[in-house]
Amino acid sequence: DQQVKQNSPSLSVQEGRISILNCDYTNSMFDYFLWYKKYPAEGPTFLISISSIKDKNEDGRFTVFLNKSAKHLSLHIVPSQPGDSAVYFCAASERGGSEKLVFGKGTKLTVNP
Amino acid sequence: KAGVTQTPRYLIKTRGQQVTLSCSPISGHRSVSWYQQTPGQGLQFLFEYFSETQRNKGNFPGRFSGRQFSNSRSEMNVSTLELGDSALYLCASSLLQGLNTEAFFGQGTRLTVV
Repeated sequence: DQQVKQNSPSLSVQEGRISILNCDYTNSMFDYFLWYKKYPAEGPTFLISISSIKDKNEDGRFTVFLNKSAKHLSLHIVPSQPGDSAVYFCAASERGGSEKLVFGKGTKLTVNP
Repeated sequence: KAGVTQTPRYLIKTRGQQVTLSCSPISGHRSVSWYQQTPGQGLQFLFEYFSETQRNKGNFPGRFSGRQFSNSRSEMNVSTLELGDSALYLCASSLLQGLNTEAFFGQGTRLTVV
């Protein structure tokens, strides 16, 4: 039973355009959501997070949107750069912490020059 | 400030053996979590320690165990290794439990069971 789903295994965009990565969840107890970026053979790198009391959080080129009624969140990267090419994981947790994260299976983003 | 450090980076073991992996969290971080990453299952939560106590546990068999020391360093042990235990094992640390704090990951230990 997958509680966090990233339905697009891969996404390809042109440099300078917007990348939109999507994530759906089923557990209504999730109240904290995070996005991580991962390169092969390395650990995930934290990008941005959002609490369930908010519907948007921005950090530079990265913006995360949360739609609680739809149990959906998305990560927008604007503008996309070739260095953004990596696997992006959506993660969620209960009780507002990061000590027990439930991950989606990831979306591989390729940004073409 | 040093990040999360995991040792060793790579390990090859034989079926039936046991293995111990080590994780040093970011200085000041008291919560340490362990994850297993495999191509088929993705990233799955193993367990979490806070102040030397296991606070959360995932759905893994008892062959997987861990502990945390007073300096917050943590070890993970897998006994009676199986081929399916081949994976990237990741450790993450966070400052506190709850309070919307993000987890920071180490580079992982790549375990291969032959």
